[in-house]
Amino acid sequence: KAGVTQTPRYLIKTRGQQVTLSCSPISGHRSVSWYQQTPGQGLQFLFEYFSETQRNKGNFPGRFSGRQFSNSRSEMNVSTLELGDSALYLCASSSLPGGNNSPLHFGNGTRLTVT
Amino acid sequence: GEDVEQSLFLSVREGDSSVINCTYTDSSSTYLYWYKQEPGAGLQLLTYIFSNMDMKQDQRLTVLLNKKDKHLSLRIADTQTGDSAIYFCAETAPIGGNTGKLIFGQGTTLQVKP
Repeated sequence: KAGVTQTPRYLIKTRGQQVTLSCSPISGHRSVSWYQQTPGQGLQFLFEYFSETQRNKGNFPGRFSGRQFSNSRSEMNVSTLELGDSALYLCASSSLPGGNNSPLHFGNGTRLTVT
Repeated sequence: GEDVEQSLFLSVREGDSSVINCTYTDSSSTYLYWYKQEPGAGLQLLTYIFSNMDMKQDQRLTVLLNKKDKHLSLRIADTQTGDSAIYFCAETAPIGGNTGKLIFGQGTTLQVKP
């Protein structure tokens, strides 16, 4: 079974631009979560989608948004990029939402660098 | 509040056992997780334990859970150089109903010396 696939692996953007990251979950998984990893803040929860609905959102500004499609694939978008948005963005999928119901499996992440 | 604490660094010799410790705060977590991260990679799910269990063994990995003290440990037997990585402990923090998010520790860097 293929794992969680994230594209692209690396991105370099300049301040003020916007970016879209993509995540394909494990086949059969309907829940997708996004996390940001930085050296200073560690791993922080961004949001979670299940059956095309956003279930939860972390403490990030409105510039961070996402969506989920009917095939469970998910995208996240960051608008008006800031230097502090440079991070590894990790996507995780699970069969049920929340991490309290089924384990989360992560992809290899997208490394975003904002210059 | 939500918090997961881990020691930052552990160094062992190849062939020895490694024990990585973690304390968490949310007693309602159903699952507690251990993830491994190698350089340039994402998080690999190593193992997880249900909160109603005390111990789980999976080949070289043993997870011990002390719910009273909210303490979780990961023991790696016969540690190999390929085990060198950062290990993250995570608890689940509910956000209404059964859904929730993972709260991660800062990660423990395991260095295995040949």
